[in-house]
Amino acid sequence: QKEVEQNSGPLSVPEGAIASLNCTYSDRGSQSFFWYRQYSGKSPELIMFIYSNGDKEDGRFTAQLNKASQYVSLLIRDSQPSDSATYLCAVPSGAGSYQLTFGKGTKLSVIP
Amino acid sequence: GAVVSQHPSRVICKSGTSVKIECRSLDFQATTMFWYRQFPKKSLMLMATSNEGSKATYEQGVEKDKFLINHASLTLSTLTVTSAHPEDSSFYICSAPPDAGSLETQYFGPGTRLLVL
Repeated sequence: QKEVEQNSGPLSVPEGAIASLNCTYSDRGSQSFFWYRQYSGKSPELIMFIYSNGDKEDGRFTAQLNKASQYVSLLIRDSQPSDSATYLCAVPSGAGSYQLTFGKGTKLSVIP
Repeated sequence: GAVVSQHPSRVICKSGTSVKIECRSLDFQATTMFWYRQFPKKSLMLMATSNEGSKATYEQGVEKDKFLINHASLTLSTLTVTSAHPEDSSFYICSAPPDAGSLETQYFGPGTRLLVL
């Protein structure tokens, strides 16, 4: 069974700093990786997805994937208080599957 | 963009009663929808896969007779929690990948918070 591990936090960073969120996964065969943001009481919303080793940037967000180390991270530059949320790492449960296995999430607090 | 709705958004019921939760894809067809459950401070756990025109597929440990799923059309899946008990209190979230979409185009509903007294 696939496992996705995240540090539950909370992770506190000052406004304007870089927030670094980490995730490890158990299945070496996993091919795609997703980062979701979930505000309290709300459903998840997709922030980033990454399929290839290396970095992928989208605005203030950068996803980093290292398949050899089975590690994926999310960097948030110029953190804003509105970024305060729980960030969930997810991988498909099977090849090409829409079913997702989620990590427990890391709660991020950006301090003004 | 594509939207998935859920109804109701919040429900309180007495122990022993049944509760129906609807998940609708508003502007796309979804042959498959997924039901997740999230307990406080926990992550989302997949409960079942809802398939239009066929039986749902349940994850290990999820009672199919307790959580009835009906995928009545290409835009509607319902989850009925039968004989609900306080331990069923949770946040239920559905997701729907468009039939013509890719892995990253899976849309989540806003969730239904169930409280069983």
